[in-house]
Amino acid sequence: GQNIDQPTEMTATEGAIVQINCTYQTSGFNGLFWYQQHAGEAPTFLSYNVLDGLEEKGRFSSFLSRSKGYSYLLLKELQMKDSASYLCAVPVPSNTGKLIFGQGTTLQVKP
Amino acid sequence: DVKVTQSSRYLVKRTGEKVFLECVQDMDHENMFWYRQDPGLGLRLIYFSYDVKMKEKGDIPEGYSVSREKKERFSLILESASTNQTSMYLCASSSDSYEQYFGPGTRLTVT
Repeated sequence: GQNIDQPTEMTATEGAIVQINCTYQTSGFNGLFWYQQHAGEAPTFLSYNVLDGLEEKGRFSSFLSRSKGYSYLLLKELQMKDSASYLCAVPVPSNTGKLIFGQGTTLQVKP
Repeated sequence: DVKVTQSSRYLVKRTGEKVFLECVQDMDHENMFWYRQDPGLGLRLIYFSYDVKMKEKGDIPEGYSVSREKKERFSLILESASTNQTSMYLCASSSDSYEQYFGPGTRLTVT
């Protein structure tokens, strides 16, 4: 079966760096997604990792280790607008496009 | 740009009413999904569809039904609304890339 684990809440200071971890178990691996969701809004796509290693996209980077079933999202130079929930998700091995989402990590950025 | 629209941002209904939530996507995606999101419970899949007139139950289908008569439209139906169906409802669509695109959400209150 599939299972995803991520911390419920994190707090960080404006300008700092924060790392949000995600561990997963899946019967077949088809990549890992990170989504950002501001309060009251829809999730929006941040990154997709299918190979091991770090992928950088501006202030945001995402890392994947398939052998460890582990990913993290790294946010640099934190801004107040980064306060949001961050959702980790993995595809269900099927051709239906289903994703299994973690419960999300709510990040609060303080001045 | 992919666009997923939902018929209402906010909806208030009475217990026992039949409720229709509509979702339309403009990217010719095969897969469409209905989720509900509640504090502390994350995104939970209600139903999904991988083709016109095809539907499958997700994790919490009880009390809901769906309809997909056209590829671009996926409707969620609450046959007899109850107060425990008060929630944020999110529609999403995807092609064969697994990345899901979300609509803005409908916040439904059942009184």
